[in-house]
Amino acid sequence: AQKVTQAQTEISVVEKEDVTLDCVYETRDTTYYLFWYKQPPSGELVFLIRRNSFDEQNEISGRYSWNFQKSTSSFNFTITASQVVDSAVYFCALSEPPIQGAQKLVFGQGTRLTINP
Amino acid sequence: GAGVSQSPRYKVAKRGQDVALRCDPISGHVSLFWYQQALGQGPEFLTYFQNEAQLDKSGLPSDRFFAERPEGSVSTLKIQRTQQEDSAVYLCASSPGVAGPWEQFFGPGTRLTVL
Repeated sequence: AQKVTQAQTEISVVEKEDVTLDCVYETRDTTYYLFWYKQPPSGELVFLIRRNSFDEQNEISGRYSWNFQKSTSSFNFTITASQVVDSAVYFCALSEPPIQGAQKLVFGQGTRLTINP
Repeated sequence: GAGVSQSPRYKVAKRGQDVALRCDPISGHVSLFWYQQALGQGPEFLTYFQNEAQLDKSGLPSDRFFAERPEGSVSTLKIQRTQQEDSAVYLCASSPGVAGPWEQFFGPGTRLTVL
């Protein structure tokens, strides 16, 4: 069965520091997709990124970057020069191969990130 | 509307009451998902609709939980004889396609508290 582990329950840093959120996953499938979502206090999950299992190229989007390493089954997320607005709960998720089209997501427990001014 | 909407945003029920939670997906989205998020946890899959067909209900925790999407758009999650362990945020998500890694767009959720 698929499983996602986010070992860091809470992280607190001072603004402008860099911070890395860890994500480790388990799956027996060779084809899978990994996601990161942000959940601000409003509660709505906001999509950040999707990667497929065949693309290990790291990705950078502004202050955000993602490091995907199949050898260690990890998909870590780094925020550079953090800002107070980055404060939220961040979820890593794995999608199972679709069964009749159901690409359901398996989420980790989330990491609560607090950026202090 | 621009995004997925859910109503009510908050619901308090006495143990044993029935509740109905509504989800309005993004117009034209074929796929609709329900997730349950307990306090301090990640969302957990409940059920999936492709248009009006409920193709996967493997995550529904008991037969007290029932979901429908009769016309392939709005969906309702119904919980009968609510129990305290049903207290959670119920999230609805929709996506435009069927197969493939489509991004799921989430609503703000309904926070259910069972007293």
